[in-house]
Amino acid sequence: NAGVTQTPKFRILKIGQSMTLQCTQDMNHNYMYWYRQDPGMGLKLIYYSVGAGITDKGEVPNGYNVSRSTTEDFPLRLELAAPSQTSVYFCASSYPQGSSTDTQYFGPGTRLTVL
Amino acid sequence: RKEVEQDPGPFNVPEGATVAFNCTYSNSASQSFFWYRQDCRKEPKLLMSVYSSGNEDGRFTAQLNRASQYISLLIRDSKLSDSATYLCVVNIDNFNKFYFGSGTKLNVKP
Repeated sequence: NAGVTQTPKFRILKIGQSMTLQCTQDMNHNYMYWYRQDPGMGLKLIYYSVGAGITDKGEVPNGYNVSRSTTEDFPLRLELAAPSQTSVYFCASSYPQGSSTDTQYFGPGTRLTVL
Repeated sequence: RKEVEQDPGPFNVPEGATVAFNCTYSNSASQSFFWYRQDCRKEPKLLMSVYSSGNEDGRFTAQLNRASQYISLLIRDSKLSDSATYLCVVNIDNFNKFYFGSGTKLNVKP
């Protein structure tokens, strides 16, 4: 299994440009998540999905959109890039069993700079 | 108020030392607790879950204190390879929304 894969690894955007960050998992996990991590900070949840066709907002959803048409894919869309969106973006997935053994598996991250 | 708070450190310790980190959480309805490890410029990886009765995995011991709303991580016999940032993670609701602390940085010196 490849686990959780993300593309691209790095990207530089100009203010106002748009892009889609790709995330794919091959573990048949129901739940998927997008986080952003600013320097020296913890991860903040942007959006999450509990299954295909179902998405919901996290702590910091403004400026982002998501879709979940399949179990495997959970792309994150930035419509009008702003410098405040400069961050490292992590995608994660989990197969919740409703217990303390739930584990999130993370992709390697996408480093985005908006200039 | 932040959902999860940690001392950012850094904790600078010699090899072989014992070091402990604490993490406090604000929501008494929190259900699941975890410690993740994050190496520089890498993704977080699960170190261990934290159970109500406490649990141990080799040199690592995790404890949960629900009354005082904190969890702890104890690392014995520190290795150079333990140098990383340790993230405290709390799960609050049934949809598996995880809240991350900002992390505690550990540097183990020769």
